[in-house]
Amino acid sequence: GENVEQHPSTLSVQEGDSAVIKCTYSDSASNYFPWYKQELGKRPQLIIDIRSNVGEKKDQRIAVTLNKTAKHFSLHITETQPEDSAVYFCAASLRGGSYIPTFGRGTSLIVHP
Amino acid sequence: SAVISQKPSRDICQRGTSLTIQCQVDSQVTMMFWYRQQPGQSLTLIATANQGSEATYESGFVIDKFPISRPNLTFSTLTVSNMSPEDSSIYLCSVASGFYNEQFFGPGTRLTVL
Repeated sequence: GENVEQHPSTLSVQEGDSAVIKCTYSDSASNYFPWYKQELGKRPQLIIDIRSNVGEKKDQRIAVTLNKTAKHFSLHITETQPEDSAVYFCAASLRGGSYIPTFGRGTSLIVHP
Repeated sequence: SAVISQKPSRDICQRGTSLTIQCQVDSQVTMMFWYRQQPGQSLTLIATANQGSEATYESGFVIDKFPISRPNLTFSTLTVSNMSPEDSSIYLCSVASGFYNEQFFGPGTRLTVL
């Protein structure tokens, strides 16, 4: 089955800096890669996703990149703000397969004012 | 995306008892799931709730411990049976929709077993 590794487990940055979270996956057939943000005490929320037919996607201050050859994908947050502090989960799934995503272990992002 | 609600939002239970968690969606969805999230941990899939048939359980989870019902396309329940302190966790339902079956989560049920 699919295996998703996520790094780092904790990331501490100053407000205004950039943050990068990296994930690798094992199943080359996976074709959908969502990212979730979970604030303390809240549900995971889908913030951005990328499909296997594109290499990069941006939405305001966040962007995701995908390298299918290397089987890794990354979340980039620019101009971080304190409200970006949360746990971020990456995931990988296969449309046309089980559809069920395999989640990474999560990255706790702390943005210091 | 669908609006998902769960009841109860939290509960404190005695060991040996059972708790049933309800998940309600405001629109019909084909795929519903139940996850467990232990403190500081990732999301672990318990089972896929299938409408009209038995749930599909992941390795390590069994029907006797986590019976699931899915009577229609908008509602599901998860029961945590014969609870022990190790069952203390957050239980989340989720639904999948869209071309890539994007998953959306309910608010979760925080369970504490004493």
